[in-house]
Amino acid sequence: AQSVTQPDIHITVSEGASLELRCNYSYGATPYLFWYVQSPGQGLQLLLKYFSGDTLVQGIKGFEAEFKRSQSSFNLRKPSVHWSDAAEYFCAVAPRGNQGGKLIFGQGTELSVKP
Amino acid sequence: DAGITQSPRHKVTETGTPVTLRCHQTENHRYMYWYRQDPGHGLRLIHYSYGVKDTDKGEVSDGYSVSRSKTEDFLLTLESATSSQTSVYFCAISESAGYGYTFGSGTRLTVV
Repeated sequence: AQSVTQPDIHITVSEGASLELRCNYSYGATPYLFWYVQSPGQGLQLLLKYFSGDTLVQGIKGFEAEFKRSQSSFNLRKPSVHWSDAAEYFCAVAPRGNQGGKLIFGQGTELSVKP
Repeated sequence: DAGITQSPRHKVTETGTPVTLRCHQTENHRYMYWYRQDPGHGLRLIHYSYGVKDTDKGEVSDGYSVSRSKTEDFLLTLESATSSQTSVYFCAISESAGYGYTFGSGTRLTVV
């Protein structure tokens, strides 16, 4: 079945430490790939997206993500986490050619940052 | 986010009453979407629109209807609200299919 999986429901990292959030998808063809961030009580903000080309994608707020076709993964990384990065992070995919450009979201990973 | 607003931001309603949520955009984007967000489920698509008067169902459309009579407005109606529809509802817009969304700030709906 087509799906998007974020294996980690909750992650805690220390401020200044590196971060990697995992995302795996299951689709026949590589979909469009996205990462969104949601601060408490807010809507979702687009961090970065992958359509094609270079498999390492740079986004806003110092985030990057790497697309690995062989692993059907699109993991989000940040070299040094700041306390303001505490939020919920969603991976999303848009199957290519789907009518309406619908996004399918993972269940989200909540990030806590320790001082 | 700039260019997309949802109203109301918060609403408490009684079981069995009709409720309409409004999404308004000033970006002239073709695509508009309604999602609901619930703990443990991420965001799930309720309905979407790909043009004026063109709408289609998402994965959790039962109990909801939508209308889009103008490019800028996309209405979500709960015909007879139930407690299972207590949720946070997000509207999103996109200028083209697969481009990615801009989200509104959400409407927190409580059905008592």
